[in-house]
Amino acid sequence: LAKTTQPISMDSYEGQEVNITCSHNNIATNDYITWYQQFPSQGPRFIIQGYKTKVTNEVASLFIPADRKSSTLSLPRVSLSDTAVYYCLVGGNNQGGKLIFGQGTELSVKP
Amino acid sequence: GAGVSQSPSNKVTEKGKDVELRCDPISGHTALYWYRQSLGQGLEFLIYFQGNSAPDKSGLPSDRFSAERTGGSVSTLTIQRTQQEDSAVYLCASGLNRGGNTEAFFGQGTRLTVV
Repeated sequence: LAKTTQPISMDSYEGQEVNITCSHNNIATNDYITWYQQFPSQGPRFIIQGYKTKVTNEVASLFIPADRKSSTLSLPRVSLSDTAVYYCLVGGNNQGGKLIFGQGTELSVKP
Repeated sequence: GAGVSQSPSNKVTEKGKDVELRCDPISGHTALYWYRQSLGQGLEFLIYFQGNSAPDKSGLPSDRFSAERTGGSVSTLTIQRTQQEDSAVYLCASGLNRGGNTEAFFGQGTRLTVV
């Protein structure tokens, strides 16, 4: 299975844009890249998924370079409520559908 | 219900006892996952069910752990002869998992404490 590497933690301030980069050097051709958000005492929540280039939804943007060996989750104008752990996952049907979570990035947003 | 439901929300058990954790997935979801999360740690994959295929049990930590999914819907995770290191939050998720879409919906988890 493709392994992912993300920073363990990041700090930011309210109103700033936050970019969290995930490395996945061994990504397979059919793999998708998915990001989840987890608040304390809650299960993870799907944020965004992409295969290549750029994907944007109402919550975030996902940038994927041509070689797909990394991806960057971009959170515009973060607020205190964006303080959470963010997980990058690589997988899809060729992985047998299994979702493997790494350690995630703990984002702390300060006032 | 609209989301994934897990029961009980909290369970305290004595070391050596067996426990059963229940997961009611979103109706129509063919994929069902179980994870374990210890305090301050990431999610540890346990087992994955997809439709009528044989489950992927590669994450089960020992033969004390087992899971079944009846009728392609409700799933039960059973831990036999519980140990203190089994204490964790057990999370269940379901999804459609087709065409590369790996969006999964998680329940609130069952917090298991073995004393």
